[in-house]
Amino acid sequence: EVQLVESGGGLVKPGGSLRLSCAASGFTFSSYSMNWVRQAPGKGLEWVSSISSTNEYIYYADSVKGRFTISRDNAKNLLFLQMNSLRADDTALYYCARRFVVQGRGFDFWGRGTLVTVSS
Amino acid sequence: IQMTQSPSTLSASVGDRVTITCRASQSISGWLAWYQQKPGKVPKLLISKASTLESGVPSRFSGSGSGTEFTLTISSLQPDDFATYYCQQYNSNSRTFGQGTKVEIK
Repeated sequence: EVQLVESGGGLVKPGGSLRLSCAASGFTFSSYSMNWVRQAPGKGLEWVSSISSTNEYIYYADSVKGRFTISRDNAKNLLFLQMNSLRADDTALYYCARRFVVQGRGFDFWGRGTLVTVSS
Repeated sequence: IQMTQSPSTLSASVGDRVTITCRASQSISGWLAWYQQKPGKVPKLLISKASTLESGVPSRFSGSGSGTEFTLTISSLQPDDFATYYCQQYNSNSRTFGQGTKVEIK
């Protein structure tokens, strides 16, 4: 069974840092590009960052560039998002999602998300 | 690349034919996906590459378009289809979503 389980969310003050993790199982993690998508309360989906299967390509949304860092550990089937200089508008449910680039598909499986709240 | 969906909200009845439009600020070829999200649920991939239906998705859903203009059509709206729909481009060095279209019961 495919599983993506996010963790690491919580309440943090503006300017603070958090590190999100996404544990993958049930599929060949190293064959998939991985992605972070967030959704602020009552708002739409916002793509945050993507990393290719072998770390060759890394992309960020302009809204997080220079503050967030995506990484992965293919040996441990883990995806990470290091978030620094957090702001109130970073408050959201953060999802990790996979994409099998070879097939040209979208994000075909999503975790249930971890909530990040940035507030003083 | 910016993605613009229209309308933002759509009121329709069961059995109606529904069309949602997604426009890209520049050509994305056919690298477009459509998702369905229900309240409190995880987004579900419906269509990839503008028109390829994902396994298990009912055939009443279809996608078309290329370049900068795309459509998602539901041929006969069913009670389970009331949800918010998002387009997403994955052509460039970003994976931008549209702002969403909420399909409501009329």
